[in-house]
Amino acid sequence: DAKTTQPPSMDCAEGRAANLPCNHSTISGNEYVYWYRQIHSQGPQYIIHGLKNNETNEMASLIITEDRKSSTLILPHATLRDTAVYYCIVTNDYKLSFGAGTTVTVRA
Amino acid sequence: KAGVTQTPRYLIKTRGQQVTLSCSPISGHRSVSWYQQTPGQGLQFLFEYFSETQRNKGNFPGRFSGRQFSNSRSEMNVSTLELGDSALYLCASRSSLSGNTIYFGEGSWLTVV
Repeated sequence: DAKTTQPPSMDCAEGRAANLPCNHSTISGNEYVYWYRQIHSQGPQYIIHGLKNNETNEMASLIITEDRKSSTLILPHATLRDTAVYYCIVTNDYKLSFGAGTTVTVRA
Repeated sequence: KAGVTQTPRYLIKTRGQQVTLSCSPISGHRSVSWYQQTPGQGLQFLFEYFSETQRNKGNFPGRFSGRQFSNSRSEMNVSTLELGDSALYLCASRSSLSGNTIYFGEGSWLTVV
C-alpha cells in the first residue's frame, strides 16, 4: 500500500464543516483512496472511497486532487457523534493497513 | 441489511488457553477476512477466506488459524494464548457486487491474563 500522511489531530466546532487532509504522494494509478473512521472500542466504519473523481455520499464528500497526490475528506456538518479516529488508506488490494489516522474531536 | 456480526464481543482468557471467535458476514458476501488491532501495532491482517478456502495469509504464527463454512460464516482460533494476543479482533467482509469495499464488524475484545 502507498503510504499516507495525516495530521495527528484536529478540532472542529459542532455544526461546522470538518476538512480532513491526507497526503498520498506515491499513489499508483490503480489505487483507490478509502476513508474509514473508528469510534473508541468499535470496529472501523467505512465512509467513502474514490479513484479520480470527487465523490459524495450521505456521510461525507471526498475531494481528490487532479494529480491524485492528496485528498480531503469533508464532513459537511460535524456532530458530536463524529468524534473518532479517521483513517485515510490507499490501496488496490484485498487487505487494509491503517496508519495512526487523525483524531477528530468535535466540540459543542 | 445486517452488517458484519461478531461474537463474543468481550472475553477474558488465561495464558495457555485457546479461544474461538465467530463472524457472520454481510448477506451475500463470500469473502471474510480477519484483522488484529492493538495500540502498538495498529491494524494487522491475519487471513482471508473465500468459498471456504484460505486465500491469503498475513504474518502471524501458526497458533492463529481460521476456517470458513459453506454459508460464508467464519471462525478464527488462537491456541496457546499469550499475553501479547490481547487485542481487538476484527472480522470484515466484502463482495465484488459491492465494489469490493471492506466492511468491518464491531470486533471481539480479547484480554489474556
